[in-house]
Amino acid sequence: DAGVIQSPRHEVTEMGQEVTLRCKPISGHNSLFWYRQTMMRGLELLIYFNNNVPIDDSGMPEDRFSAKMPNASFSTLKIQPSEPRDSAVYFCASSSRTGGTSPLHFGNGTRLTVT
Amino acid sequence: AQSVAQPEDQVNVAEGNPLTVKCTYSVSGNPYLFWYVQYPNRGLQFLLKYITGDNLVKGSYGFEAEFNKSQTSFHLKKPSALVSDSALYFCAWADSSYKLIFGSGTRLLVRP
Repeated sequence: DAGVIQSPRHEVTEMGQEVTLRCKPISGHNSLFWYRQTMMRGLELLIYFNNNVPIDDSGMPEDRFSAKMPNASFSTLKIQPSEPRDSAVYFCASSSRTGGTSPLHFGNGTRLTVT
Repeated sequence: AQSVAQPEDQVNVAEGNPLTVKCTYSVSGNPYLFWYVQYPNRGLQFLLKYITGDNLVKGSYGFEAEFNKSQTSFHLKKPSALVSDSALYFCAWADSSYKLIFGSGTRLLVRP
């Protein structure tokens, strides 16, 4: 079991550029979550999917953020255009949702710096 | 608003001593409560959860937590701390749609 795989680990970009973060969940898991971690706001849930369908995107900050899950083994989080305040660590997590209370398995995150 | 609170930003303890990381909840109904740990430059790792049943929950790495309904608490405990336990600890709760909402985190520092 390779765990949840996120790429890239680090991303540095200039304000206004498009950023795409990628996530491969654990095989067999049918729920996927995107979180953002900053010192000021802690861990924020951005969006989560169940069976590839977005269930709740109320945490997405604004229209500049979008997320997709075209199949069970891949998800992307896109920021366009990026701004310095988007600098954070972005985590992807997956779970099997057995009974709805299965633990989340987190990737090691993508550290995004927008200059 | 429903939430969990971690009142301490940091907890310091000597190796070998018992440790407690505090969490209180303000959640209606039967709360689903969790503890996760985060090591530097890593994602969060699941430690334990309370769903129902026995109020004392045992988890990974020798950690345990006690669900206390009268005090609305779910404190994380370990009888004997290790230097390697130093990390960031998060309490969390799952809402009715099973979204996991995290507390602000507590940094545990275990000194040799």
